[in-house]
Amino acid sequence: DIQMTQSPSSVSASVGDRVTITCRASQGISSWLAWYQQKPGKAPKLLIYAASSLQSGVPSRFSGSGSGTDFTLTISSLQPEDFATYYCQQANLPPLTFGGGTKVEIK
Amino acid sequence: QVTLKESGPVLVKPTETLTLTCTVSGFSLSNARMGVSWIRQPPGKALEWLAHIFSNDEKSYSTSLKSRLTISKDTSKSQVVLTMTNMDPVDTATYYCARIEYSSGWFVDYWGQGTLVTVSS
Repeated sequence: DIQMTQSPSSVSASVGDRVTITCRASQGISSWLAWYQQKPGKAPKLLIYAASSLQSGVPSRFSGSGSGTDFTLTISSLQPEDFATYYCQQANLPPLTFGGGTKVEIK
Repeated sequence: QVTLKESGPVLVKPTETLTLTCTVSGFSLSNARMGVSWIRQPPGKALEWLAHIFSNDEKSYSTSLKSRLTISKDTSKSQVVLTMTNMDPVDTATYYCARIEYSSGWFVDYWGQGTLVTVSS
């Protein structure tokens, strides 16, 4: 199975900050990567698919980049509603695997 | 409007078999461009993919849980069923059903609300 490693596991940031989360795959997955946002008690929400494609309705402050084994999710200017946990997921073929999550907390 | 809704027991005993049902609307389980997966999340932990069923009834399972899982569907009822045998307290989790659309990779575009299953005697 492809292992997905996210870093950091948590980050403290202030409103307006630029936040970057990284995800590394244990083998190359081309651009088959998705990013999700999850708030407490809620199902995850798709933000980015195919590494850099913004899901409809997601604010443009979210962006994704990378290919092969190294990927990045960037929030250009953190908003109060962005405090949540973020997960990457390899979207190549099953078995699908997720990263361990990055919790974005208020500084 | 696409929706998925999980149903099943909230409490199961160790060694019992769990049966969960996902009822979908807004799309057909016979649509070749998409399928349904089950994904779980233990309290405070990360997401874990369990199983997937394709429109043609082919199935795919988690490597580590394959021996305990069975996924099936009833297209006429718009339902996908997951069974997991020999439940253990470590299987306590919120179980989600999710739609996966294949056009740009295997990502989840719609999630159910999730159902918390507790395994305890």
